[in-house]
Amino acid sequence: AQSVTQLDSHVSVSEGTPVLLRCNYSSSYSPSLFWYVQHPNKGLQLLLKYTSAATLVKGINGFEAEFKKSETSFHLTKPSAHMSDAAEYFCVVSEGQGNKLVFGAGTILRVKS
Amino acid sequence: DVKVTQSSRYLVKRTGEKVFLECVQDMDHENMFWYRQDPGLGLRLIYFSYDVKMKEKGDIPEGYSVSREKKERFSLILESASTNQTSMYLCASRRTGSYEQYFGPGTRLTVT
Repeated sequence: AQSVTQLDSHVSVSEGTPVLLRCNYSSSYSPSLFWYVQHPNKGLQLLLKYTSAATLVKGINGFEAEFKKSETSFHLTKPSAHMSDAAEYFCVVSEGQGNKLVFGAGTILRVKS
Repeated sequence: DVKVTQSSRYLVKRTGEKVFLECVQDMDHENMFWYRQDPGLGLRLIYFSYDVKMKEKGDIPEGYSVSREKKERFSLILESASTNQTSMYLCASRRTGSYEQYFGPGTRLTVT
């Protein structure tokens, strides 16, 4: 069975500094990996996805993630945090043909001014 | 833009009541999903449907049932609500062949 571990439940950064949200996964075959973001009182929005093409994936709002098979990691980064990035972020692995998503527990990102 | 709507943002029900949560999508997606979201647990799949009248259990189906009579609508039913079903419920849809799931805004259900 596939699983996802988000290594930090809360991350706090200052505006303008880099963001790193860490995610490790376990999978018995080539996974598809995603990051979703959830702003307060909003639904989840897809930030970016890895589906066996380029290992460095660019998403919306300046976010990137790098798939590292040897480390079974898919960390999310952004060079410079904005206040509007404050939200909860979920790392997700897909089983099968995309109908079974396995979510991590989530990381709440706080951005200080 | 894909739109997934849920019938209520907030709902308060009493223990033992039958509860219906409705979800509608407007993009003709074949696949629809119900999740519950609890702090520290992420989202967990309750049921999904890959076609009208078709359904499959997810990871936590106990205490829930679903109905999909029309392609655009997917209902989650709590036959007899219990306090441990107090949670945020999220609906999603996906086009076959695409990996992305599109989520609704969620229904926060409180069972007292």
